[in-house]
Amino acid sequence: KNQVEQSPQSLIILEGKNCTLQCNYTVSPFSNLRWYKQDTGRGPVSLTIMTFSENTKSNRRYTATLDADTKQSSLHITASQLSDSASYICVVSDRGSTLGRLYFGRGTQLTVWP
Amino acid sequence: EADIYQTPRYLVIGTGKKITLECSQTMGHDKMYWYQQDPGMELHLIHYSYGVNSTEKGDLSSESTVSRIRTEHFPLTLESARPSHTSQYLCASSESHQGSYEQYFGPGTRLTVT
Repeated sequence: KNQVEQSPQSLIILEGKNCTLQCNYTVSPFSNLRWYKQDTGRGPVSLTIMTFSENTKSNRRYTATLDADTKQSSLHITASQLSDSASYICVVSDRGSTLGRLYFGRGTQLTVWP
Repeated sequence: EADIYQTPRYLVIGTGKKITLECSQTMGHDKMYWYQQDPGMELHLIHYSYGVNSTEKGDLSSESTVSRIRTEHFPLTLESARPSHTSQYLCASSESHQGSYEQYFGPGTRLTVT
């Protein structure tokens, strides 16, 4: 069964600190993995997208890694800011259909305190 | 910021009423999607469309219906709202080509059925 599991479920850190969010998946055949940021009451916004051959990608203070062999990904946030408080969702796409079906994790709810 | 819009943003309505959630995008994308998301849970695909006059049901069974008469417009209709329909509904769109396509999400409609 195609699944995406994220940990931790929630995380509280102080402003300026770094943190790492984890994602494990069983989606096959794999096409790509993306991390989205979803603010409360808003739609998800893409942070990074990685294909099978990419093992790291950065976007400002966000760095995503991908290990396609172990089917694991992480999202590292550097020097956190209050505006980083949001849900971070790991999404994996398969290539078994023309739709490119997306499988969503439940997200990690990050809270950054001043 | 993606050019995809949803109205209304919030809707509180009584049981048995007919409602239509609007979704429009100005990016010329062929593919459009409707997702349902409950608090703390993953997004579930309920409808999608490859293009005009094409609609399909998603993974999650839904009593809602959709139509795609124009490329930019993908409304979702509930003929008779029930409390079990209370949820957040997210619309998304993407380009039609294969590969690492991006899905752009609207801000969502928070529906409460009393």
